[in-house]
Amino acid sequence: DAGVIQSPRHEVTEMGQEVTLRCKPISGHDYLFWYRQTMMRGLELLIYFNNNVPIDDSGMPEDRFSAKMPNASFSTLKIQPSEPRDSAVYFCASSFFVKGNTIYFGEGSWLTVV
Amino acid sequence: KQEVTQIPAALSVPEGENLVLNCSFTDSAIYNLQWFRQDPGKGLTSLLLIQSSQREQTSGRLNASLDKSSGRSTLYIAASQPGDSATYLCAVVIQGAQKLVFGQGTRLTINP
Repeated sequence: DAGVIQSPRHEVTEMGQEVTLRCKPISGHDYLFWYRQTMMRGLELLIYFNNNVPIDDSGMPEDRFSAKMPNASFSTLKIQPSEPRDSAVYFCASSFFVKGNTIYFGEGSWLTVV
Repeated sequence: KQEVTQIPAALSVPEGENLVLNCSFTDSAIYNLQWFRQDPGKGLTSLLLIQSSQREQTSGRLNASLDKSSGRSTLYIAASQPGDSATYLCAVVIQGAQKLVFGQGTRLTINP
């Protein structure tokens, strides 16, 4: 399997623009997670899905952030409008959770908002 | 609220030494604890997973222990090598929530 695939790997955008990050989880996994990593706050869970249904979005910082999972093989995280404080690495991860299994991370999307 | 703490934040040791990384968590109601490795500019790679009913797991030169009652885990690396240089993160899965809570990580440097 190719692992969790994220795109774009790097994005530089201007403040106020819409940003869409994409994720393809590992086939067969029923959990998908979006994390954000910054030097100040470390890794923070933004939202996670189970069988394409959002379960917990309490980590989504503001209404500017939204996430969707239209099917088992694709998810998006959208920021509209973007702000400089959104600059971070955004990770997507997936897992098949049967009493706790290994979670697999993508390589991340490095976002810079100027 | 579950909090995960890793000490030290950074560690530098000569090649060949055995070393221990520490992780503590505030709530013992966990499904499991996982140790990850993160190389610069890369995602996280799972190293070891310890279920809540287990005491330790081993993989090659790595050994992770779990003491749920005291809220502690250690990652032991034997005969360290320069290729072990990376940031090591521990994370716990909260019972009933199926989500990982991460520590801030320990940045490890192995000097040749």
